[in-house]
Amino acid sequence: DAGVTQSPTHLIKTRGQHVTLRCSPISGHKSVSWYQQVLGQGPQFIFQYYEKEERGRGNFPDRFSARQFPNYSSELNVNALLLGDSALYLCASSRRTGTFGANVLTFGAGSRLTVL
Amino acid sequence: AQSVTQLGSHVSVSEGALVLLRCNYSSSVPPYLFWYVQYPNQGLQLLLKYTTGATLVKGINGFEAEFKKSETSFHLTKPSAHMSDAAEYFCAVSANDYKLSFGAGTTVTVRA
Repeated sequence: DAGVTQSPTHLIKTRGQHVTLRCSPISGHKSVSWYQQVLGQGPQFIFQYYEKEERGRGNFPDRFSARQFPNYSSELNVNALLLGDSALYLCASSRRTGTFGANVLTFGAGSRLTVL
Repeated sequence: AQSVTQLGSHVSVSEGALVLLRCNYSSSVPPYLFWYVQYPNQGLQLLLKYTTGATLVKGINGFEAEFKKSETSFHLTKPSAHMSDAAEYFCAVSANDYKLSFGAGTTVTVRA
């Protein structure tokens, strides 16, 4: 079975532009989460979607938005890019069993965004 | 709110030596605890997790961790380091909710 797939793997944008990152979860996983990993730091939670509804949002500005589609794939959108948005953006999927907190997240390889 | 602190941003060990990575957590509710490993240019891979039950948790690649509530710790160990263990390791905590809170990570280098 394919793991979590993300696209694009690398991209370069300039300040003020917009970017869309895409994620396909593991088959059967209905939950998708997005994390931002700045160089030298641990991943920071951005969003979680379950059954196409937003279930949680981290401490990120409104320039960040996301959605989940009927096939459970997801997009992360970032508007008005800043230099500080340069990071590895990780998508993770999980099959919900019991409480969300105990679920194991399976991560994709990430999309590396560079903002110039 | 939940948080973790990983003590030591970099650990260097000799091949065959003990690997010990320290993690302390803060949580207002009983936590779920995880260790993930990240190899260069890859995503994170789960090593092991603690949810409930036995406090000594065994994971993949010979790693194990012990949940100590009294010390609010979840240290990761491996008795004998291998060159392939060189990577970055992240401790993470979650509560009965939807997000993982990660530590800053510990980079492990293995000397031949």
